[in-house]
Parts: sequence; C-alpha cells; structure tokens
Amino acid sequence: DVKVTQSSRYLVKRTGEKVFLECVQDMDHENMFWYRQDPGLGLRLIYFSYDVKMKEKGDIPEGYSVSREKKERFSLILESASTNQTSMYLCASSPEKKANQPQHFGDGTRLSIL
Amino acid sequence: AQSVTQPDIHITVSEGASLELRCNYSYGATPYLFWYVQSPGQGLQLLLKYFSGDTLVQGIKGFEAEFKRSQSSFNLRKPSVHWSDAAEYFCAVGAATGFQKLVFGTGTRLLVSP
Repeated sequence: DVKVTQSSRYLVKRTGEKVFLECVQDMDHENMFWYRQDPGLGLRLIYFSYDVKMKEKGDIPEGYSVSREKKERFSLILESASTNQTSMYLCASSPEKKANQPQHFGDGTRLSIL
Repeated sequence: AQSVTQPDIHITVSEGASLELRCNYSYGATPYLFWYVQSPGQGLQLLLKYFSGDTLVQGIKGFEAEFKRSQSSFNLRKPSVHWSDAAEYFCAVGAATGFQKLVFGTGTRLLVSP
C-alpha cells in the first residue's frame, strides 16, 4: 500500500512565523500535491510537483511556497504565517502524469495560526 | 476547465437504508471521475474511479457509482448503510488530457442515525 506521511497531525504557530509542513511518500511517485481543506470549500490545490525541483502553482498559491529536493519529499512553506492560513493541509501523491491515476492522501496536518 | 458540484452539504440516513450521494460535473470531454471518503481526522481514501467502459463501477466497502453522460452525473450509491459509513464524501473530476490535476467538490457529510 502507498504510504503518504505528513510530519505533524497538529501544529500551532504564531502570526509572522515561517512554517514548514513536510510530506513523504514511499512509493516512488512522480507527482505530489498540497491542498488545503476548509469547511464548505472542499479541497483547493495550493501547489503541485511532477518531478524533483519542479513545481507548479495550483489555484491558491498566494502566501505559500514549496520545495521538492528529493523525489519522495514535498515541503509546503508558509513564508509569514497569517491567521487566514489556519486550515487542514493535505498532501497527496500519484504515480504518473496521466489523469487516470488516483491520488493517495496523507492524514493531514491541522494548522492553527494564532 | 472542469468543475464539480455536490448539491447536498449534509445527508442523514437511517442505518440499513439505501444511500445516494449526488455529483454533477462540468467538462467538455469524457472525464475521469473519482469518489473519495474522509473519516473524521483522517485523509482521503479512494472509494472508486471511472475512466471508461462500463458505466456502473464497483468500489470498496460495498459502494458503487454510475456514470451518466447525458446528465453529467456520477452519483454514489450503497444499498444498505452501516454506522461506520458516517464520514464526508468527495467527488472529484480529472481532465482526460494534460497533466493530472483533480478538481474536488465541496463534499457531502453523511450522518447515520440508529
């Protein structure tokens, strides 16, 4: 089974801090994704990556950046955290560029910015 | 660009009763369609997927979904709901060409009454 591991289940940070969310997958998947999930809004794509050192903006990239230095690891960075970034963050991976491959999700990180 | 509508925010079903969750999509060609389930505090788990062929697809946990092109729908069904099915359900659509990005609906929360 594919395992997507997010480093923290719960995280509390302060406004203005630089925040790192880490995600690791163990199946040699090419694609990795970061979403945020908010009530009533579903999942919204922040950034994705289809190869090492490659990244693409999703639908809501403002205030975020990402890093993919190794194939198995995809980091989401909040450069200067703000209260409106309090949310559930989900990482996912998939094996190929083709659209018919389902994404596999981690358990999420619930981030609170105070 | 593709989009997904899940018109029901909440649905309550009695245990043992049948279930149908609605999903309508918008996409100019044949889409790739997915249903995911999210239990409280967890990530998303794939229930089933449709790419082509038989329009009735079977998934895990006794779920099935039917693709109806004429109605742009991909409704999820289960003949007899169990209390453990209480969760949030997400429909997602992917484009058949280009990079694999999924667009998710806003989700339907299923409550199961005794």
